[in-house]
Amino acid sequence: DAEITQSPRHKITETGRQVTLACHQTWNHNNMFWYRQDLGHGLRLIHYSYGVQDTNKGEVSDGYSVSRSNTEDLPLTLESAASSQTSVYFCASSVGLTATEAFFGQGTRLTVV
Amino acid sequence: DAKTTQPPSMDCAEGRAANLPCNHSTISGNEYVYWYRQIHSQGPQYIIHGLKNNETNEMASLIITEDRKSSTLILPHATLRDTAVYYCIVRPPETGNQFYFGTGTSLTVIP
Repeated sequence: DAEITQSPRHKITETGRQVTLACHQTWNHNNMFWYRQDLGHGLRLIHYSYGVQDTNKGEVSDGYSVSRSNTEDLPLTLESAASSQTSVYFCASSVGLTATEAFFGQGTRLTVV
Repeated sequence: DAKTTQPPSMDCAEGRAANLPCNHSTISGNEYVYWYRQIHSQGPQYIIHGLKNNETNEMASLIITEDRKSSTLILPHATLRDTAVYYCIVRPPETGNQFYFGTGTSLTVIP
């Protein structure tokens, strides 16, 4: 079955280190998204991509970057991890610009110490 | 981008209908109303969406008022597995799923 997977599921890192979270989908969806979720804030959009070589900033993009070199993957990089980036991160994908349903991964819990 | 207002929490007895309200008084003519839910620690899951007319699928019904300024998600026979946070989102269809989630309604289904 097609799916969207995130790795790792849990990670602890130190302040200042570069961290990359992986997101891989096998639906061949054009759109991919990264969200973070913190208590009291719901899910907030970090970055998104509408296709290969396309990336866009969301509402909380500072300190994060993404690259889209193929359809299946959208890795999220924290350039220099900060304690404020301790959060649960969700990746999502959808099929096209007028798609109605986004499919979410199971999340990555990142702790920055 | 807080375009919707939802109560922070609700309870519902198991087997009864759960009615989750959402206010979206500034909704534009081309914006759809979407509902997602998030069961604890899992990724959000799509439930239903609509523009003007009421909609029903295997999971729920969506009732949109005639002026489109509010809507209600109805889970006809709530089960314990429906305990989750429910998000009401409004957005135009051409934005490629840039869903902006609020804090949603935490629904607890009580045995």
